[in-house]
Amino acid sequence: GQNIDQPTEMTATEGAIVQINCTYQTSGFNGLFWYQQHAGEAPTFLSYNVLDGLEEKGRFSSFLSRSKGYSYLLLKELQMKDSASYLCAVRDNTNAGKSTFGDGTTLTVKP
Amino acid sequence: GAVVSQHPSRVICKSGTSVKIECRSLDFQATTMFWYRQFPKQSLMLMATSNEGSKATYEQGVEKDKFLINHASLTLSTLTVTSAHPEDSSFYICSATKTPGGDTQYFGPGTRLTVL
Repeated sequence: GQNIDQPTEMTATEGAIVQINCTYQTSGFNGLFWYQQHAGEAPTFLSYNVLDGLEEKGRFSSFLSRSKGYSYLLLKELQMKDSASYLCAVRDNTNAGKSTFGDGTTLTVKP
Repeated sequence: GAVVSQHPSRVICKSGTSVKIECRSLDFQATTMFWYRQFPKQSLMLMATSNEGSKATYEQGVEKDKFLINHASLTLSTLTVTSAHPEDSSFYICSATKTPGGDTQYFGPGTRLTVL
């Protein structure tokens, strides 16, 4: 199975940078995803890492270290609309490619 | 694009009734669809994996006779909550991938079920 840990809550200031960490223990690994979810809405895809290293996409970057079972999502130039829950999800290596989600990190951006 | 729709977006029903939720991939064929349930302030819990033309694979602890899944075509999967009870009240979300084990899951907007 998969075990995924991420902080429950974080607070940051508008315009700042915030890093949300995710650690995982898995029986099989085939990629790690980060999703953003606003209250009452479905998750939206942010990033995907399957190899070690940093993936940058605009204000958002995601890093993966498979040997350490560790990932982080980096958000730069924070905006008020970035206040949301951020979900770390690990995909297994079965044919179905199921993903197990962490409990999510609720980020609050303050003025 | 990759758009997934769900219908209805909200449903309120009486205890003991059955509710059907539809999940459609609008602009792509989805070989695999996933059904999740999310309780307030909790993460998504995978209920089942649905493949077109075959029986769904349920996660441990999910009653297959209570949560009936039908994936009749490459663009439609349905989840029927049978004999719903208040504890089934939750946010049900489907997702679809373009290929089996595809990189990205495209999520539907979710269905809020309230059982009175």
